[in-house]
Amino acid sequence: DQQVKQNSPSLSVQEGRISILNCDYTNSMFDYFLWYKKYPAEGPTFLISISSIKDKNEDGRFTVFLNKSAKHLSLHIVPSQPGDSAVYFCAASTGNEKLTFGTGTRLTIIP
Amino acid sequence: DVKVTQSSRYLVKRTGEKVFLECVQDMDHENMFWYRQDPGLGLRLIYFSYDVKMKEKGDIPEGYSVSREKKERFSLILESASTNQTSMYLCASSEKGGYNQPQHFGDGTRLSIL
Repeated sequence: DQQVKQNSPSLSVQEGRISILNCDYTNSMFDYFLWYKKYPAEGPTFLISISSIKDKNEDGRFTVFLNKSAKHLSLHIVPSQPGDSAVYFCAASTGNEKLTFGTGTRLTIIP
Repeated sequence: DVKVTQSSRYLVKRTGEKVFLECVQDMDHENMFWYRQDPGLGLRLIYFSYDVKMKEKGDIPEGYSVSREKKERFSLILESASTNQTSMYLCASSEKGGYNQPQHFGDGTRLSIL
């Protein structure tokens, strides 16, 4: 049973435009959410996170939005750059150190 | 800078062999994790450890065991390797203190079981 779902396996966006990556979850006990970025042949690196007490968190070009009623979060990247091409994983936690990851979305930025 | 090192980038083993994957972190982190990454399935937790000699099963522990004799080292053991254990294996570590401590990952070991 996939508790964290990323329904788009891939996404292509033109350089300079906005990239929006989506993530849905089913477990209402999740209260902390993270996004990781992964380049080929490297491990995932932490990008940005959000607690369930917030609905938005910003860090430079990256913003994460959380809609608890819809059990949906999204990552916005503005403006998109070629170096943003990678696989993005969302992850969720119920309040302990264990994370449940989504299946990933491969983002390709077109120059 | 944070560093998680996995001993091998690529490994080829035969069915039935006992396989050891090693992971070392230099950040004095209490928590360590083993995941496997498969296409279409994302990262799935195999085992994790909160402290030396402590271990807990993750979502897919069958066919695996772990060892944590020292704080900086976490080993994943495939007791009798099978072809369905061919995968990318990722080790991670994090500070104690709850879910808002990001996990830091190694670069992975791509394991092929023939």
